[in-house]
Amino acid sequence: SQTIHQWPATLVQPVGSPLSLECTVEGTSNPNLYWYRQAAGRGLQLLFYSVGIGQISSEVPQNLSASRPQDRQFILSSKKLLLSDSGFYLCAWSVTLRGPINEQFFGPGTRLTVL
Amino acid sequence: QKEVEQDPGPLSVPEGAIVSLNCTYSNSAFQYFMWYRQYSRKGPELLMYTYSSGNKEDGRFTAQVDKSSKYISLFIRDSQPSDSATYLCATMDSNYQLIWGAGTKLIIKP
Repeated sequence: SQTIHQWPATLVQPVGSPLSLECTVEGTSNPNLYWYRQAAGRGLQLLFYSVGIGQISSEVPQNLSASRPQDRQFILSSKKLLLSDSGFYLCAWSVTLRGPINEQFFGPGTRLTVL
Repeated sequence: QKEVEQDPGPLSVPEGAIVSLNCTYSNSAFQYFMWYRQYSRKGPELLMYTYSSGNKEDGRFTAQVDKSSKYISLFIRDSQPSDSATYLCATMDSNYQLIWGAGTKLIIKP
């Protein structure tokens, strides 16, 4: 069976500090990978998605970046955090053409607070 | 105008009540509509999906799409405290990317 891991679960960082959130998937090959941010009452905002190693699409211009160094590893980074980067960060995976819909499977999320 | 609109709530109802959760969407080309459930401090998980118009039932849950009014609904019968969660509607664009509603926080009071 497939499993998705995210860490850390919670993080408190000062403004201007760097960020690195990691996501790994087990039990599937060549997944599509996604990073979302969820703010209270505002739904899921797609930040980045990747269809393969080294292939990253950015949906929202900001001070965040993503990398996919291995097939089942997705990393979200920032060089300098802003207050507005606070939120709940979710990693997700899907498999193309598995079915009629793009069913995405989510990790447990990271609660980031920037002070 | 957002492509998918959803009232964030919270919606509070007594145990055993019928719950109606709703979304509207703007693009008549959307064909698939999904409902995800998200418990507190967890990631969302797919509850059910429907294609085009009509109803789909799964146990106590019924998803309904009205394409003429661009309205999608999720009904929960005999609601339980364990149904307390945030419910997110979503649709899919031509690139298979999901477009999300804001999510409605549902509270079922024992």
